[in-house]
Amino acid sequence: GNSVTQMEGPVTLSEEAFLTINCTYTATGYPSLFWYVQYPGEGLQLLLKATKADDKGSNKGFEATYRKETTSFHLEKGSVQVSDSAVYFCALSTSYGKLTFGQGTILTVHP
Amino acid sequence: DAGVIQSPRHEVTEMGQEVTLRCKPISGHDYLFWYRQTMMRGLELLIYFNNNVPIDDSGMPEDRFSAKMPNASFSTLKIQPSEPRDSAVYFCASSLLGQGGYEQYFGPGTRLTVT
Repeated sequence: GNSVTQMEGPVTLSEEAFLTINCTYTATGYPSLFWYVQYPGEGLQLLLKATKADDKGSNKGFEATYRKETTSFHLEKGSVQVSDSAVYFCALSTSYGKLTFGQGTILTVHP
Repeated sequence: DAGVIQSPRHEVTEMGQEVTLRCKPISGHDYLFWYRQTMMRGLELLIYFNNNVPIDDSGMPEDRFSAKMPNASFSTLKIQPSEPRDSAVYFCASSLLGQGGYEQYFGPGTRLTVT
């Protein structure tokens, strides 16, 4: 079956630090890959996505590249801000619109 | 578009009572999903619909939970009778077949507390 594994958190960084959150997946077929972000008290929002191998998704300074050879979709940002503090979820979809989520990684950024 | 709308945003009820959560998906979307989020279990898919028809309800915890989608613009998740372990945040999400790899749009959630 499909599965997504994220690096364990929580992750605590100082403002302007470099961020990496690792995500690897197992899937049959050719999945689309997503990063969702959840701010405190809110629902999940799509942060970025990639629908085929070697695609790079990017948004708000965040990037992730679909690596089929390593089955990975790591999230990166060059300089985090306090406002990036949130929970980040990696996810994949194969068919029928169903998403498989990772367990989420809590990010806290200090001034 | 107003996005996915859920009501109520907060619900506090006593054990044994019936609880009904409501969701209005984004107009034109043909998939609707119900999720539950807790600290212990993370984000769990409960059930999802395609064109108002339930496709997979294997995530529904037990017979106390039921979900309906009487039309394309409305869905309910009912818990009867409710128990303290049902306390969680319940999210509704919708998507459109073929749109960007099945991107889902989430509502703000309903925080349920059962005392």
